[in-house]
Amino acid sequence: GQQVMQIPQYQHVQEGEDFTTYCNSSTTLSNIQWYKQRPGGHPVFLIQLVKSGEVKKQKRLTFQFGEAKKNSSLHITATQTTDVGTYFCAGSGAGSYQLTFGKGTKLSVIP
Amino acid sequence: GAGVSQTPSNKVTEKGKYVELRCDPISGHTALYWYRQSLGQGPEFLIYFQGTGAADDSGLPNDRFFAVRPEGSVSTLKIQRTERGDSAVYLCASSRRVAGGLNTGELFFGEGSRLTVL
Repeated sequence: GQQVMQIPQYQHVQEGEDFTTYCNSSTTLSNIQWYKQRPGGHPVFLIQLVKSGEVKKQKRLTFQFGEAKKNSSLHITATQTTDVGTYFCAGSGAGSYQLTFGKGTKLSVIP
Repeated sequence: GAGVSQTPSNKVTEKGKYVELRCDPISGHTALYWYRQSLGQGPEFLIYFQGTGAADDSGLPNDRFFAVRPEGSVSTLKIQRTERGDSAVYLCASSRRVAGGLNTGELFFGEGSRLTVL
């Protein structure tokens, strides 16, 4: 079945440093979504990408979808303590409504 | 309601017992998902409903797990003969996705039901 892999598993950064998490799928995806889960909370939707090579920005967050629609990345510029949490990518294949999540990247920000 | 509501928030049971977990999705959302999340892992897909029917139940781990959504709104996840390995947070999510839509759309998650099997 479809597998979605994320690296790194953990990332500790000093406040103000940049952060990037990478997502790779074993199969071509029709779309990819990113979610953020705060400690003790539930996943909260950040964005959805559907087009090959798509790049979207939300303030300090930049999301990319690869040309082959098999990988994606999330980059945070100048991290803040409010960015702490686990970031998950999740993808679905063509004709499928089963959203497969990666294991997530847990971000810690040192003030 | 304003968001996805799940009850109970916590459930402690003994091995071999039967449990039911309830999910009340956002009003008007036709798609409903159940996921299971173990500590340090990403949500694991269990089942997806479009309306009243289970459109994809390929994630249910075995026949001890069953879910229903009889009126296309509230859903119940049922686990028979619980085992210690069933301990996890069970997450429900809903979306506006309609049948024939191109993708799942944004999933709105509930707070989850934490199941502990002793």
